Amino acid sequence: DTAVSQTPKYLVTQMGNDKSIKCEQNLGHDTMYWYKQDSKKFLKIMFSYNNKELIINETVPNRFSPKSPDKAHLNLHINSLELGDSAVYFCASSRTLGQGKNTEAFFGQGTRLTVV
Amino acid sequence: AQSVTQLDSHVSVSEGTPVLLRCNYSSSYSPSLFWYVQHPNKGLQLLLKYTSAATLVKGINGFEAEFKKSETSFHLTKPSAHMSDAAEYFCVVSDPYNNNDMRFGAGTRLTVKP
Repeated sequence: DTAVSQTPKYLVTQMGNDKSIKCEQNLGHDTMYWYKQDSKKFLKIMFSYNNKELIINETVPNRFSPKSPDKAHLNLHINSLELGDSAVYFCASSRTLGQGKNTEAFFGQGTRLTVV
Repeated sequence: AQSVTQLDSHVSVSEGTPVLLRCNYSSSYSPSLFWYVQHPNKGLQLLLKYTSAATLVKGINGFEAEFKKSETSFHLTKPSAHMSDAAEYFCVVSDPYNNNDMRFGAGTRLTVKP
């Protein structure tokens, strides 16, 4: 009954490869996010989708492409992986309330990506 | 754009003593504010949230935070630290007028000594 689930939990791959991380939420939320956590624990937002529409697209390389087939899923595809892409990637979701407010974000357990 | 500053990268306390983790925010409008905790090699868990209701917010595990608009602060406190509180703590601001963009502080690592 995991609320926000990511797969895989660990991903080790070689430079230059293309890989995907999947995220699914069963909370009925309408907003989903991808965050990157670097080795210093700093969490930086990468993308946010609301009702399958991209609403936040931070300055990330265009090798990163999010895809939201429906409100419950937000996948992250990464092309031509580089050493600097090594990090923990977190998916999260929240629900938009009235008057522009939103609920807190619920986070997945993270995907530890190691590029060798 | 909104942002948060966590004033201490590392806080060390003894078990049984009070905890204070400091957070200042910057936002054009009345923000939503959150504190999350991350235990080693774990995901992020919500401790508490402020969404323009009571300014003193109670969370899980005995944590509290007080929203002070005049000081643009949202400091996290706990009267008595437990060993299990050792973790990384993140202050987060969400701007409802900017697509609910959630911005994290750099984090404060809390160490609890026996």
